[in-house]
Amino acid sequence: AQRVTQPEKLLSVFKGAPVELKCNYSYSGSPELFWYVQYSRQRLQLLLRHISRESIKGFTADLNKGETSFHLKKPFAQEEDSAMYYCALRDSSYKLIFGSGTRLLVRP
Amino acid sequence: SAVISQKPSRDICQRGTSLTIQCQVDSQVTMMFWYRQQPGQSLTLIATANQGSEATYESGFVIDKFPISRPNLTFSTLTVSNMSPEDSSIYLCSVGAGNQPQHFGDGTRLSIL
Repeated sequence: AQRVTQPEKLLSVFKGAPVELKCNYSYSGSPELFWYVQYSRQRLQLLLRHISRESIKGFTADLNKGETSFHLKKPFAQEEDSAMYYCALRDSSYKLIFGSGTRLLVRP
Repeated sequence: SAVISQKPSRDICQRGTSLTIQCQVDSQVTMMFWYRQQPGQSLTLIATANQGSEATYESGFVIDKFPISRPNLTFSTLTVSNMSPEDSSIYLCSVGAGNQPQHFGDGTRLSIL
């Protein structure tokens, strides 16, 4: 079955600390993975997609097919990174399957 | 990316009534989707809105409860029928084209009394 798992509901770190938001997936085909972010009172927006292999707002994510993971990382967290983060998998019919989300709280 | 407008942004409805949510895009898009986000939960796909044909519903969602229209490539509606308190959710429209990532509207926050 297709599934996206985000094991942490809440991740709290201090400003300047490294951040890693975990995402594991289950998919029989070749997956396409995304990270979406939702800041307070804003719409859900795309942060990263794995095929782009780019860094957005200091965040990176690498697809590890062996471990079926797509963890989101940032070396130095900022207070403005506090938001809800969703990992999502797109299947062959272009539908998105979302994980349960992780709330990142960056303390000053 | 496309500009997506969803109306209404929020509503409070009586049990047993129906509400139609509109999604307007400023450019033609091949794919439009409707998602539901229940309180404290993640997003779940309701259906894919197909232009000129019946929507494709996901398991657990039926046309009688969530009728969808998509008359053209820039507009779609989702109706939540015969509402009950369990339908209180945020309903989101998203659009995509080919291999491009999906982008989301602001959502409609629906509360049923």
